[in-house]
This record gives sequence, structure tokens and C-alpha cells, in this order.
Amino acid sequence: DQQVKQNSPSLSVQEGRISILNCDYTNSMFDYFLWYKKYPAEGPTFLISISSIKDKNEDGRFTVFLNKSAKHLSLHIVPSQPGDSAVYFCAASGSGSNYQLIWGAGTKLIIKP
Amino acid sequence: EAGVVQSPRYKIIEKKQPVAFWCNPISGHNTLYWYRQNLGQGPELLIRYENEEAVDDSQLPKDRFSAERLKGVDSTLKIQPAELGDSAVYLCASSLGGPVMATQYFGPGTRLLVL
Repeated sequence: DQQVKQNSPSLSVQEGRISILNCDYTNSMFDYFLWYKKYPAEGPTFLISISSIKDKNEDGRFTVFLNKSAKHLSLHIVPSQPGDSAVYFCAASGSGSNYQLIWGAGTKLIIKP
Repeated sequence: EAGVVQSPRYKIIEKKQPVAFWCNPISGHNTLYWYRQNLGQGPELLIRYENEEAVDDSQLPKDRFSAERLKGVDSTLKIQPAELGDSAVYLCASSLGGPVMATQYFGPGTRLLVL
């Protein structure tokens, strides 16, 4: 039973354009959401997070949007740069998971020059 | 500031052999996590320590996996005996404080291949 789903295994975007990565969750008890970025042969690196009391959080080129009614969040990267090519993981936690981070399977983002 | 250190980076063993992984967390981080990541999936928590205490080991296969965190700093994760299905990347992470809204910092992982 996947509680956090990233339905796109990969995404290809032109450099300079907007990248939009999507994530859906099923557990209504999740109240904190994070995005991590992972390069090959490295561990995941924290990128940005959002609490359920907000619907948007922005950090430079990265913005995360949360739609609680749809149980959906998205990560927007604008403009996309070659260094953004990586695997992006969505993760969620809350009282429903004993505050464990529950991870999606990841989306591989490829930025084309 | 030094990050989370893990060793070895790669390990190839035959099934039924034992294997151990070591992790040194970021200095001052009292919470330590061990995750397993299978190919094409996200990390899955195996065990979480708060200082020396294992506070969440509900997903650790206790028949063959064991872990310890002596003195609340370094940690080792052991598998004995290893099975083919244990092939995965084993990630260690640490955070300042508990898991609620605390950013977890990951090491590079140990890639295990069981033949």
C-alpha cells in the first residue's frame, strides 16, 4: 500500500523552462511534506518542505504547492538548470505514520540543454 | 562541517555470509536513522535512534538484522545471515532532534550486493 506516490518515473524539460514534479498521498494524517534531491552515488539532500497549515512555500527557484483537499503536492523549479538533473523524492510524515518519513519512489528529472 | 560518513561504500558478499555497515553522524545530531533503499524505490526506515535508545525498530527484520549505537554517536547495522533479497543501498541519516519537522541529513550509502 503506497501512501506516497510519484506517478512519473521520469521527466524531461528544456533548460530555462519550468519543471513540475507531482506527488500524491493517501494518508490524511500526514501534515508535513518534504522534497529531497538525489544525485547518483550520493545520499538524498533536503530541498524544501511545507507544513499542512500552508499551501505554498518558496525558496529561490523552488516552490512547493500543497492541495490538501486533493492530497496532492507539486514542486516547481523555474528556471530549470542543468544541475537540477537528479532524482527527486517526495516524502511525508505525521501522526498517522508515527512521524516516520514515508517516501515516494522518486522522479528522475532530466534537463536538456 | 563534516557530513554523515558511511563505510564501506560498496560490499559484495555471498548469501548466508554476515555483513556490517558503519555510520558516523553529523557531530551533535542525537537522532540517527538507518534506511534501506531498493532499486527504483524510495528509502524505507529500518530503525531510528534517539541517542543510544532505539525508539522505532518496527520495520527492522529482527531475525537477521541487528543494530547498535553505543555511546549515542556511531552506529553499526549488521545482517547475519545475508539473503539475496537484502541487496540494496543502506542509507544512514542523522538529524538534530526528533523526526518531526527535523531535516534529515544523509550519508552516501552502502551499496550491498548479495550473490
